[in-house]
Amino acid sequence: QLVLTQSPSASASLGASVKLTCTLSSGHSSYAIAWHQQQPEKGPRYLMKVNSDGSHSKGDGIPDRFSGSSSGAERYLTISSLQSEDEADYYCQTWGTDILFGGGTKLTVL
Amino acid sequence: EVQLVESGGGLVQPGRSLRLSCTASGFTFGDYAMNWVRQAPGKGLEWVGFIRSKTYGGTTENAASVKGRFTISRDDSKSIAYLQMNSLKTEDTAVYYCTRITGSHIDHWGQGTLVTVSS
Repeated sequence: QLVLTQSPSASASLGASVKLTCTLSSGHSSYAIAWHQQQPEKGPRYLMKVNSDGSHSKGDGIPDRFSGSSSGAERYLTISSLQSEDEADYYCQTWGTDILFGGGTKLTVL
Repeated sequence: EVQLVESGGGLVQPGRSLRLSCTASGFTFGDYAMNWVRQAPGKGLEWVGFIRSKTYGGTTENAASVKGRFTISRDDSKSIAYLQMNSLKTEDTAVYYCTRITGSHIDHWGQGTLVTVSS
C-alpha cells in the first residue's frame, strides 16, 4: 500500500538550513513526489516535483533557497537561509491510482 | 497567470446538497485534469477526487470517503470544474480547494472555499 510518511514537526534557526523528509512506503521507492507549502491561515502553494533520481522542477516564483533531492525511498526538501515566512506546514504528495498526501511537517523558524 | 477561483461554499444542513464551482483562467482548461482537495479544521490535506481531461476520457476518480455521494464534472467551454456534494455529513466540514494537475502532480491551487455542515 502506497503511504507517505513525514515527521510531524521540525525547527531551525533564522538564517540556517533545514532538510525535511518524506518517506515512501516499501516497494514504492521509484515514485516521484511533489512538495507543497501552507503558510498560516493561507491555502497551499506548490513548491516542486522531486523525482527518484533527485532531479526536481520548481513552481513559478519559488526562490532558489528551496531545493529537492532523493535517496532511495526518501524525498527531501531543503530550505536554506531560513526566513520567518518559511514557517509553515509542508506536505508531500504523490499519485498511484489516487492522489495521496503525507501527514505534513510543521516547520518552526526559531 | 494561472488562476483558480472556488465558489459555492457555505453553511448547509446534514443530508443536504451543495455544488462548488472552480473557475479557471490563464491556461487551456480542457488540456488538464482538475482535482479537489479538502482540509478539515486543524487537519491535514485530504484528496477528494479528480476528473481527467477529455483527451483521457474525462473520467473521474473519487476518494473512498466520498464515493457515491460526491460527483466531479467539468464544462470546458466555460473553463469550470464542479464538485457536486450530496448527502452531506458533519465530517465533510472543510475548506475545499480546487487544483490543477500536470502529469500526475498538483501544480496550482485555488484559494479555497469553506463548507460547513451543521444543523
